[in-house]
Amino acid sequence: EIVLTQSPGTLSLSPGERATLSCRAGQSVRGRHLAWYQQKLGQAPRLLIYGASTRATGIPDRFSGSGSGTDFTLTISRLEPEDFAVYYCQQYGSSPGTFGQGTKVEIK
Amino acid sequence: QVQLQESGPGLVKPSQTLSLTCTVSGGSISRDGYYWGWIRQHPETGLEWIGYIYNSESTFYNPSLKSRVTISADTSKNQFSLRLNSVTAADTAIYYCVKEYCSPSNCYAFFDSWGQGTLVTVSS
Repeated sequence: EIVLTQSPGTLSLSPGERATLSCRAGQSVRGRHLAWYQQKLGQAPRLLIYGASTRATGIPDRFSGSGSGTDFTLTISRLEPEDFAVYYCQQYGSSPGTFGQGTKVEIK
Repeated sequence: QVQLQESGPGLVKPSQTLSLTCTVSGGSISRDGYYWGWIRQHPETGLEWIGYIYNSESTFYNPSLKSRVTISADTSKNQFSLRLNSVTAADTAIYYCVKEYCSPSNCYAFFDSWGQGTLVTVSS
């Protein structure tokens, strides 16, 4: 199965700042089949991005995804107070689908 | 908008069977081409895909759990269920039922609808 490694483990930023989260795959992700989710404390994950760069329905355009092959990035252009959460990447190009271990974005 | 809700015991004894049910509203589980599944989240090891059911009877499981897992559907109740046999403490996790994303032409193994999750603890 494909191992996904997210970095950094924790990102400490202030509202209004730009957040850049990395997801690196142990082998190439077929077809840019990579998704990003946001999870807040006590809640289920919420789909943000799929196909590496397509925003899910209702997701603000401050969230953007990029990358291909083994290196993918989630960017939050200007952090809003509600964006402080844990973010996970997931590859679905190879079975079984696998998740990264998460990046926590916390208020500095 | 599809909504999913997990239900089942929050405490299971070691070696016994974990059983959970997901009730779906706002959509039919018997709709052709829709995939309904289970994911769990361990405190230490993170998110793990368990498996899915589609067309009400076809199933596909994570190889790491395949020998212990059964997913089934009850279309009359618009529910699908998870059974995990021979549980140990390592099966303690939050269990989510999920729906895979489907475009008009295809389905993909990422998840656009999630239940709220239910914590299952394996302990004597």
